[in-house]
Amino acid sequence: DTAVSQTPKYLVTQMGNDKSIKCEQNLGHDTMYWYKQDSKKFLKIMFSYNNKELIINETVPNRFSPKSPDKAHLNLHINSLELGDSAVYFCASSQDGSSNQPQHFGDGTRLSIL
Amino acid sequence: DQQVKQNSPSLSVQEGRISILNCDYTNSMFDYFLWYKKYPAEGPTFLISISSIKDKNEDGRFTVFLNKSAKHLSLHIVPSQPGDSAVYFCAASALGFQKLVFGTGTRLLVSP
Repeated sequence: DTAVSQTPKYLVTQMGNDKSIKCEQNLGHDTMYWYKQDSKKFLKIMFSYNNKELIINETVPNRFSPKSPDKAHLNLHINSLELGDSAVYFCASSQDGSSNQPQHFGDGTRLSIL
Repeated sequence: DQQVKQNSPSLSVQEGRISILNCDYTNSMFDYFLWYKKYPAEGPTFLISISSIKDKNEDGRFTVFLNKSAKHLSLHIVPSQPGDSAVYFCAASALGFQKLVFGTGTRLLVSP
């Protein structure tokens, strides 16, 4: 029974396109996150939402827009995709976003820009 | 500026022996530290954590040690098993901040 699930698992698309990645968690958590793992395997936070409210936006380009329709979902929409957007994107969730709680991750979405 | 560093990209250990994975941090505001394990094509899985008020936390075969003065933590796996072969990420957070700051990972290979 998957706790944090992301779709799609793989996404291959052309530069300039717009794409979305969906994330859902069934853990009853209040806080959700998006992380990006680049080619150097460095995992870095992009956004966090607490109960549908944006908490963290880590200097991510405006082309990236997270949307949280409810606290169990946090989707990531990317406009005008660029080559540098190629990465693995991970969704995560935690109980209430307190700094002393573990975050639980999905299996990632590998985005490849041609 | 990498605030969490794992200087060993890889480690090889024989089954049954101890695996020691190291992590250094620079931000003295960090007060909660975690280790995650990651298999290929999967997301990081939470393994064990430690608060800055402790210097040791143990969970079965896994023990995390924290040395605040040296800004150093380590993960000990005893005994190591082939199924432990994965990439291990160290992460840290500061009170009041929701984000985790990750190291670049250490690939552990446990051979039979």
